[in-house]
Amino acid sequence: EVQLVESGGGLVKPGGSLRLSCVVSGITFRNAWMGWVRQAPGKGLEWVGRIKSKTDAGTRDYGAPVNGRFTISRDDSKNTLYLQMDSLKTEDTAVYYCTTEGNYDSSGFYSFVIDNWGQGTLVTVSS
Amino acid sequence: DIQMTQSPSSLSASVGERVTITCRASQSISRYLNWYQQKPGKVPKFLVYAASTLQGGVPSRFSGSGSGTDFTLTISSLQPEDFATYYCQQSYSPPWTFGQGTRVEI
Repeated sequence: EVQLVESGGGLVKPGGSLRLSCVVSGITFRNAWMGWVRQAPGKGLEWVGRIKSKTDAGTRDYGAPVNGRFTISRDDSKNTLYLQMDSLKTEDTAVYYCTTEGNYDSSGFYSFVIDNWGQGTLVTVSS
Repeated sequence: DIQMTQSPSSLSASVGERVTITCRASQSISRYLNWYQQKPGKVPKFLVYAASTLQGGVPSRFSGSGSGTDFTLTISSLQPEDFATYYCQQSYSPPWTFGQGTRVEI
């Protein structure tokens, strides 16, 4: 069973920084494409970004609202994913979910799916 | 970035009714379209990928269709456990983007 356990959420002032962690079990972490999705209170889902496996060059992609402020990294020796959040804004207040992305085959048509989710950790940015 | 627009944003339906949710992409995304279900207080769960392929274990009353820019998720006979918010998401080109969600309520 895949388990994703986030930690590190909390209250931070605007302009501050916070680092989230996600410990992963039940999969071969070093081969996994990992990501973060957030959900502001009472709002919809927003993709934060993802990091590919090192065998796929470890490429990182980010959503526009966080690009340049957030950094995703991974430590394959610890089965852990990180999200470094800098220059935080009030609009970054959300539950942050750690996710895996799988490549799924539909009769030869391959596409990426966000297929596993952690329980989430709440980040509140407020003065 | 590719914009995803769902309609309606919410709907009321009864058990046994047929429900259709629409998702439109701002540009062609072929069949790179996924659907997720999120129940209140729960983590999202993916239902459909590649526009029309059901994830294992998803009841056959759910179906997805479409390609290009227009997609639908249909629940043929709504069950009590289907009351939730549904999101579409494109995986054609990063950054992945979600629709704003459709809340299905009684």
